[in-house]
Amino acid sequence: EAGVVQSPRYKIIEKKQPVAFWCNPISGHNTLYWYLQNLGQGPELLIRYENEEAVDDSQLPKDRFSAERLKGVDSTLKIQPAELGDSAVYLCASSPWGQGGTGELFFGEGSRLTVL
Amino acid sequence: KNEVEQSPQNLTAQEGEFITINCSYSVGISALHWLQQHPGGGIVSLFMLSSGKKKHGRLIATINIQEKHSSLHITASHPRDSAVYICAVQPDSNYQLIWGAGTKLIIKP
Repeated sequence: EAGVVQSPRYKIIEKKQPVAFWCNPISGHNTLYWYLQNLGQGPELLIRYENEEAVDDSQLPKDRFSAERLKGVDSTLKIQPAELGDSAVYLCASSPWGQGGTGELFFGEGSRLTVL
Repeated sequence: KNEVEQSPQNLTAQEGEFITINCSYSVGISALHWLQQHPGGGIVSLFMLSSGKKKHGRLIATINIQEKHSSLHITASHPRDSAVYICAVQPDSNYQLIWGAGTKLIIKP
């Protein structure tokens, strides 16, 4: 069974440029998460989806970040415009549970963003 | 005080040693996760537990709900076990995980 697939693995852009990350969760997993991880720190939740609904986007900086999961399967996370402080690893995770439960989390390899 | 505390922060041991990493938390939880992250790598879920003990290969995880404490043990440690081990809890009041700071483990050959 394929795991959580993310792309691109690495992205280098100049500040003020846009960037997008894509995530395909494990088949059948209705819950999808986007996390941000800075070097040496734990993951920070950006947004959580249950199917196509964003059930928690309270920590998503909505002035420059946006996300979608239109058909409740794969998802994209966009930053426009990127700032130097956005350099981090963006992790996608999926879980078979929803409705208040977390369930076991399955993470993708992450997308490492460097903003110059 | 952090709601999830791990100890030690860093641990260096020789190959073959028995390893214990501890996690204490201060909130009521419905589940606790142990995860592993290799340098530059993604995060891998090792265990999700809400009571008792789980074993997978050389890894053992235990949890004491009354004492709000969990331990991750590695038997016959190997250099490939070198990674950051992270404890995360799901509070019983909501679904958002609370993450520990991680324990960086280095196993020397």
